Amino acid sequence: ETGVTQSPTHLIKTRGQQVTLRCSSQSGHNTVSWYQQALGQGPQFIFQYYREEENGRGNFPPRFSGLQFPNYSSELNVNALELDDSALYLCASSSKKNTEAFFGQGTRLTVV
Amino acid sequence: EDQVTQSPEALRLQEGESSSLNCSYTVSGLRGLFWYRQDPGKGPEFLFTLYSAGEEKEKERLKATLTKKESFLHITAPKPEDSATYLCAVQAPSSNTGKLIFGQGTTLQVKP
Repeated sequence: ETGVTQSPTHLIKTRGQQVTLRCSSQSGHNTVSWYQQALGQGPQFIFQYYREEENGRGNFPPRFSGLQFPNYSSELNVNALELDDSALYLCASSSKKNTEAFFGQGTRLTVV
Repeated sequence: EDQVTQSPEALRLQEGESSSLNCSYTVSGLRGLFWYRQDPGKGPEFLFTLYSAGEEKEKERLKATLTKKESFLHITAPKPEDSATYLCAVQAPSSNTGKLIFGQGTTLQVKP
């Protein structure tokens, strides 16, 4: 059984650019959630995808968007990057919408 | 508003010195309470899920308990390898998603 994998592990972007982060969910999991974790803080919920549809969104602007594919992998897209977007972005998968979530190792995004 | 508060923010223990971490929560109906361990620069690692007051779960030197207002993570005779940030999160039925609301974490350092 493979775990949750994210790519890339590290990324440096310039303010105003766009970025795409990728996540492969754990085998057998159809639900993917994305979180943003600033240094020294707990993760903050961005949104969740269930069976390729967005199923709930946190307090993040529309320039944060996502996709889920038929194989349940997912992408997080962020447009018009701001310095405050610098954070660890975490993907979590679960077998149902409301069960234990298992996290990937994260993507460290630095915006300069 | 659903909220999770963890205390203390940081804890230093000597190897073998047992202690407890606290997670207080305010939520409109608890669907589940989750404990995770996070090493620096890595994604959270799932430890426990608790669903109802009075429930307890154990794993090696860790034991999690739950009341109607808080959860404790008891660490018995800790070792240096237990050093990490411990995150508590709740899942509420306020939305039809698996959204996790995290506390800010407790950073534990165990000295040999």
